[in-house]
Amino acid sequence: QKEVEQDPGPLSVPEGAIVSLNCTYSNSAFQYFMWYRQYSRKGPELLMYTYSSGNKEDGRFTAQVDKSSKYISLFIRDSQPSDSATYLCAMSPHPGTASKLTFGTGTRLQVTL
Amino acid sequence: GAGVSQSPSNKVTEKGKDVELRCDPISGHTALYWYRQSLGQGLEFLIYFQGNSAPDKSGLPSDRFSAERTGGSVSTLTIQRTQQEDSAVYLCASSSDPGNTIYFGEGSWLTVV
Repeated sequence: QKEVEQDPGPLSVPEGAIVSLNCTYSNSAFQYFMWYRQYSRKGPELLMYTYSSGNKEDGRFTAQVDKSSKYISLFIRDSQPSDSATYLCAMSPHPGTASKLTFGTGTRLQVTL
Repeated sequence: GAGVSQSPSNKVTEKGKDVELRCDPISGHTALYWYRQSLGQGLEFLIYFQGNSAPDKSGLPSDRFSAERTGGSVSTLTIQRTQQEDSAVYLCASSSDPGNTIYFGEGSWLTVV
């Protein structure tokens, strides 16, 4: 069993929809959680970083962490075609985003007009 | 340049040949990471350099893989006697210190035929 599980998709939604992306994990040592966005043939870029249970909002993006269930989510409101990308969750037992990270396999999202 | 630079962007090599992949981190960044991204797999940590400390090589999959970082800046990842299962995207990332955001390059796409 992988330490981090993520549905690979693809997930196709119409423009304006609310998107929910999720990861589950098994290692209770993970304390720091990140979401990366990766466009085709590009490197991943950091979207959200959280280190506690609860919600964190940034514009149209909300990251949610439930440590008791070992479950994290990324919500995208009012989705746009430019949101079409692969979304990777990542986590670490150590503080800071630059520590050795464990990634999910990524969910490919397609937002259609 | 402003970002992490990797070369070559694409490499096709014959099985059994050696390959070298280069990473030029963001100027001033002391931490440098190599990750591998295979089709259907998440990013897999390979190796981590921090300043003048001994590198963390715990993610290297076999002794055919090695990496060095000269002068605390440019890094080279070498794969000897390449195998078809080495086909993947090799991503380099850097950060100003281990506690800060990491920035990924666009990757070197390696195909072993």
